Amino acid sequence: DTAVSQTPKYLVTQMGNDKSIKCEQNLGHDTMYWYKQDSKKFLKIMFSYNNKELIINETVPNRFSPKSPDKAHLNLHINSLELGDSAVYFCASSLTGSQFFGPGTRLTVL
Amino acid sequence: KNEVEQSPQNLTAQEGEFITINCSYSVGISALHWLQQHPGGGIVSLFMLSSGKKKHGRLIATINIQEKHSSLHITASHPRDSAVYICAASGPPRGYGGSQGNLIFGKGTKLSVKP
Repeated sequence: DTAVSQTPKYLVTQMGNDKSIKCEQNLGHDTMYWYKQDSKKFLKIMFSYNNKELIINETVPNRFSPKSPDKAHLNLHINSLELGDSAVYFCASSLTGSQFFGPGTRLTVL
Repeated sequence: KNEVEQSPQNLTAQEGEFITINCSYSVGISALHWLQQHPGGGIVSLFMLSSGKKKHGRLIATINIQEKHSSLHITASHPRDSAVYICAASGPPRGYGGSQGNLIFGKGTKLSVKP
């Protein structure tokens, strides 16, 4: 059973489109995160959610919006995609600090 | 300057060698994490530590809170250890409230172990 899953694994789309990436965890964790890994492989936090409340929002464009329908899910919606949004996006979850990562979603904006 | 610095950026070793990767941080932290990113892209948490030393198999992680420095050691390295090792600090970053879990990442150390 996959602990943290993301869909889709690959996403290729045109500039200006709106897309979503889904994340689900079956670990019973109460905090979930979204990270972006750029072309230089540098990871940076985008959002974290604790018990369905956004508890930190890094300075990402407001075209990005996390949505958590329940404690096990944290989806990432991106509006008006730009070339610079091309990256690998990782979802993660934690309970006591140690984080479990999803497999990543490679987003390519053409 | 990144708040979490790692060295070296790239490391090539022969199978069986003892390997050390270093991490220095300038932020206040609640814990220091070591992660492994496989060539296929998946990320695995290896250690989370806030003091002293932890050991798991051939991997050892140490932290010196006073010096704001951590090391990851791999004993008897093997080609399957080839990966990117990432140091990350967790704790309340300046200017933000809330989560102790948010990670600030180093740029990673790419390790290649040759047979």
